[in-house]
Amino acid sequence: GQNIDQPTEMTATEGAIVQINCTYQTSGFNGLFWYQQHAGEAPTFLSYNVLDGLEEKGRFSSFLSRSKGYSYLLLKELQMKDSASYLCAVRDFWGGGNKLTFGTGTQLKVEL
Amino acid sequence: GAVVSQHPSRVICKSGTSVKIECRSLDFQATTMFWYRQFPKQSLMLMATSNEGSKATYEQGVEKDKFLINHASLTLSTLTVTSAHPEDSSFYICSARPGHNQETQYFGPGTRLLVL
Repeated sequence: GQNIDQPTEMTATEGAIVQINCTYQTSGFNGLFWYQQHAGEAPTFLSYNVLDGLEEKGRFSSFLSRSKGYSYLLLKELQMKDSASYLCAVRDFWGGGNKLTFGTGTQLKVEL
Repeated sequence: GAVVSQHPSRVICKSGTSVKIECRSLDFQATTMFWYRQFPKQSLMLMATSNEGSKATYEQGVEKDKFLINHASLTLSTLTVTSAHPEDSSFYICSARPGHNQETQYFGPGTRLLVL
């Protein structure tokens, strides 16, 4: 099975930078995803990492270290609309290589 | 980006009845679709993986006779909650993976089910 850990809640200030960490344990790692989910809505795709290093996409960046079983999502120039739950999800080779296992999510609150 | 729709978006039903939820990929063919369930303030839990033209693969603890999945075409999968009970009340979300893109799944907007 998999074990995915991320903080339950975080609070940050508008305009600031916030880093959301995710650690995982899996025997057949095949990619890590970050999703954003607003309350009552479906998740939207933010980023995908399968190799070590940093992937940058606008205000959002995601980092992966496979040897450490660690990833983070970096959000820059925070806006109020960034208040949402951020889900870390790991894909493994089992089940045909399709299956995503989600962490419990980090509820980010952006304040003025 | 790829669009996935779900219908209905919200449904209220009586205990003991069955409810069908549709998931459609609107602008791509989805060889694989996934059904998730999310209880309040919890993360998404995968219920089953649906492959077009074959039987769905259910996760441990998910009753296949209670949650019937049909993936009859490359753009449509349905989830039927049979003999629904109040504990089945949840947010049901489908996702679809384009056959050409192994990187991500695209999520539908979700269906909120309330069983009275």
